[in-house]
Amino acid sequence: GAVVSQHPSWVICKSGTSVKIECRSLDFQATTMFWYRQFPKQSLMLMATSNEGSKATYEQGVEKDKFLINHASLTLSTLTVTSAHPEDSSFYICSATRGGLNTEAFFGQGTRLTVV
Amino acid sequence: SQKIEQNSEALNIQEGKTATLTCNYTNYSPAYLQWYRQDPGRGPVFLLLIRENEKEKRKERLKVTFDTTLKQSLFHITASQPADSATYLCALPTGNQFYFGTGTSLTVIP
Repeated sequence: GAVVSQHPSWVICKSGTSVKIECRSLDFQATTMFWYRQFPKQSLMLMATSNEGSKATYEQGVEKDKFLINHASLTLSTLTVTSAHPEDSSFYICSATRGGLNTEAFFGQGTRLTVV
Repeated sequence: SQKIEQNSEALNIQEGKTATLTCNYTNYSPAYLQWYRQDPGRGPVFLLLIRENEKEKRKERLKVTFDTTLKQSLFHITASQPADSATYLCALPTGNQFYFGTGTSLTVIP
């Protein structure tokens, strides 16, 4: 199966700083990448959809200026949490698809962000 | 608005029994539906995809049904094992996006 690598797997940062999370498709070109957020014992909540070379599409209620997404190439998307606050502490997961219809999504390992 | 619900937040069954998980959706007409497994602290892993014109799909000890009239999918694990303990998520596509159900935490008791 296809591999999606997410880095870092965990990060602790101080309140007010910014954190960048990388999502890479290692052995395929990802037309579309997705970013999710998951709180403990809850399901994945889609934050945004990013297509290579274009602006990300954010879900309702997700602040674009807070969660900056860049999809510069077909194998890399980044999520930057700007001016992080303790309430941003969560599990962030990216996924990628190869495109086309009826395709499965391949998920990264997730990043545990803790803002202190 | 679109909604995806999965049965009971937690399900405990005895080893060797069949686990049945439910995924119900409203305000959707998905062309297909997917099931994923998620272990604690990890990203979801794809298990099965079933299309709207397929009634049933099997993969080893897994079986998925898809009833577009009832707007429901059932996910079965036969001869369950403690290693099957995990959270199982159903996912439906809307355009090129995926939306996930609330998840069911399955515990198989030895």
